[in-house]
Amino acid sequence: EVELLESGGGLIQPGGSLRLSCTASGFTFSIYAMSWVRQAPGKGLEWVSTISASGGSTYYADSVKGRFTISRDNSKNTLYVQMTSLRAEDTAVYYCAKVPRDFWRYYFDYWGQGTLVTVSS
Amino acid sequence: EIVLTQSPATLSLSPGERATLSCRASQSISSNYLTWYQQKPGQAPRLLIYGASSRATGIPDRFSGSGSATDFTLTINRLEPEDFAVYYCQQYGNSLTFGGGTKVEIK
Repeated sequence: EVELLESGGGLIQPGGSLRLSCTASGFTFSIYAMSWVRQAPGKGLEWVSTISASGGSTYYADSVKGRFTISRDNSKNTLYVQMTSLRAEDTAVYYCAKVPRDFWRYYFDYWGQGTLVTVSS
Repeated sequence: EIVLTQSPATLSLSPGERATLSCRASQSISSNYLTWYQQKPGQAPRLLIYGASSRATGIPDRFSGSGSATDFTLTINRLEPEDFAVYYCQQYGNSLTFGGGTKVEIK
């Protein structure tokens, strides 16, 4: 059974940094692209970033480009996103999502339960 | 960027009725790269339909997707109590964007 477990969320001041993690199990992590998708409170879904299976290629939404860095450790079956220069509009539940192939422009077949990031002073 | 507009915003129906949800794209979506997700309160989204009309693993056949180019539809036949939720469409033909969602609520 595929499981994705996010961690690292919390309350952070504007301008601060935070790193989220997503531990995967139940599938061969190293052969699939992985993504982060976020959802602001009471709002819809927004794609944030995707990383290729090897980690060699990364893709970002314009809203986070230059501030967020996605990475992965295939030896630990773990996906990360380093978030810097955080803004109030980054407040959201951040979901880790599996892509069913090694391709960035695709859909998401499994999602974690999400971790809440609140950017506020 | 392709903008997806979902309608209606809210659909009020009774169990057993049919739900018809629309997702309209601002430009044609290549290869019908259109997906539908279901999200219940406090839960993560769940994949229902990919490639506009292919049901994901384990999805009941009362869920069906159709459409092409700029107009897509999710149909839920004979609504079950567990189907009342918010539904999102997503396109992956040009970058990745989601629609604003349609809430299917109990009438």
